[in-house]
Amino acid sequence: QKEVEQDPGPLSVPEGAIVSLNCTYSNSAFQYFMWYRQYSRKGPELLMYTYSSGNKEDGRFTAQVDKSSKYISLFIRDSQPSDSATYLCAMTTQTGANNLFFGTGTRLTVIP
Amino acid sequence: NAGVMQNPRHLVRRRGQEARLRCSPMKGHSHVYWYRQLPEEGLKFMVYLQKENIIDESGMPKERFSAEFPKEGPSILRIQQVVRGDSAAYFCASSADSGRFYEQYFGPGTRLTVT
Repeated sequence: QKEVEQDPGPLSVPEGAIVSLNCTYSNSAFQYFMWYRQYSRKGPELLMYTYSSGNKEDGRFTAQVDKSSKYISLFIRDSQPSDSATYLCAMTTQTGANNLFFGTGTRLTVIP
Repeated sequence: NAGVMQNPRHLVRRRGQEARLRCSPMKGHSHVYWYRQLPEEGLKFMVYLQKENIIDESGMPKERFSAEFPKEGPSILRIQQVVRGDSAAYFCASSADSGRFYEQYFGPGTRLTVT
């Protein structure tokens, strides 16, 4: 079983739709949860990070963490064609290992 | 632009040759991480370095791969005697200090093709 599972998609939505992206994980020691956006042939770009459970909002993006279910989500409101990219979830423990564990990414296309 | 820099962006090597990938961290960052991304797979951690020290190389293959981050100059990931299975995108990330290890910023990557 992979430590981080993410539906690869692809996911296509019309412009203006609310997008929901999700990851599940198996390691209960994970405490930090990140979302990255990766455009084709580019490096991942850090969108948001959240510590432990709860919600965090930044503009059109909202990250949610439910540690009891080992489930994290990223919501994108009023999606734009420029949001078309692959979205990667990543997570890590609080201490010790500094490396990030990534999902495989969900490819999103926002259709004008 | 004070972002993470990687070069070369594309590298083609024949089987058995050596590949050297370079990474300059973001200005003010002293922690460097290398990840590998295989087609249709997620990013996989390889090694974590600070200046002149390898902190964690648990994700690095035991043979042919090495990494360094000298006192002066960029971090280098070295792959000796490359094989076709080494073809992948290699990304470098940096963070400001060990307290913010979760806030890693990535470079554009080096795409290695082994022919």
